[in-house]
Amino acid sequence: GAVVSQHPSWVICKSGTSVKIECRSLDFQATTMFWYRQFPKQSLMLMATSNEGSKATYEQGVEKDKFLINHASLTLSTLTVTSAHPEDSSFYICSARDRAVAGGLEQFFGPGTRLTVL
Amino acid sequence: KQEVTQIPAALSVPEGENLVLNCSFTDSAIYNLQWFRQDPGKGLTSLLLIQSSQREQTSGRLNASLDKSSGRSTLYIAASQPGDSATYLCAVANQAGTALIFGKGTTLSVSS
Repeated sequence: GAVVSQHPSWVICKSGTSVKIECRSLDFQATTMFWYRQFPKQSLMLMATSNEGSKATYEQGVEKDKFLINHASLTLSTLTVTSAHPEDSSFYICSARDRAVAGGLEQFFGPGTRLTVL
Repeated sequence: KQEVTQIPAALSVPEGENLVLNCSFTDSAIYNLQWFRQDPGKGLTSLLLIQSSQREQTSGRLNASLDKSSGRSTLYIAASQPGDSATYLCAVANQAGTALIFGKGTTLSVSS
């Protein structure tokens, strides 16, 4: 149980294009999903918190108009990188809290999406 | 602001050796602490989760301890194997349901 999937697992795009990454909780409902970014040799840094049915909360320094987050259902959150540039190339990982588990004891992580912008 | 530090950044050991990875955090008022494993280019595998009220957790050859008052956690790996080679990440949650704050990890290499 508690499986989180991400799609695609990797994507290469041209500079200036937009890329959408999906994060799905497969066997549980997630009222909250988190989006992280990991640059090479660095740790995971939180980008935004996504709550079902409401606007995402972005961390300081993360442009909300560039990284669009939609959490339209209890099992799906999407991250769209708009007008991607080479500096957006990174590993994007989502995590989800199981709605049924009080206190959010554990977050379940997706396998990540490797984005390369040429 | 919570900061998580992991020492050492890299570690190389021969197979069979017992080893300890260290994690420290600046704000002791945490909700829980997790240890993860990350293989190159891959996602995270949760290893152990310690609630703030707990002192340690064990899973197989892994044992994680938590000293909240001093802001420290250790991950003990017994009888290391080449398959243990990976990056180990420590992360804390300041409150229930909040995002995790990660350290930069310790990259472990176990040679046969």
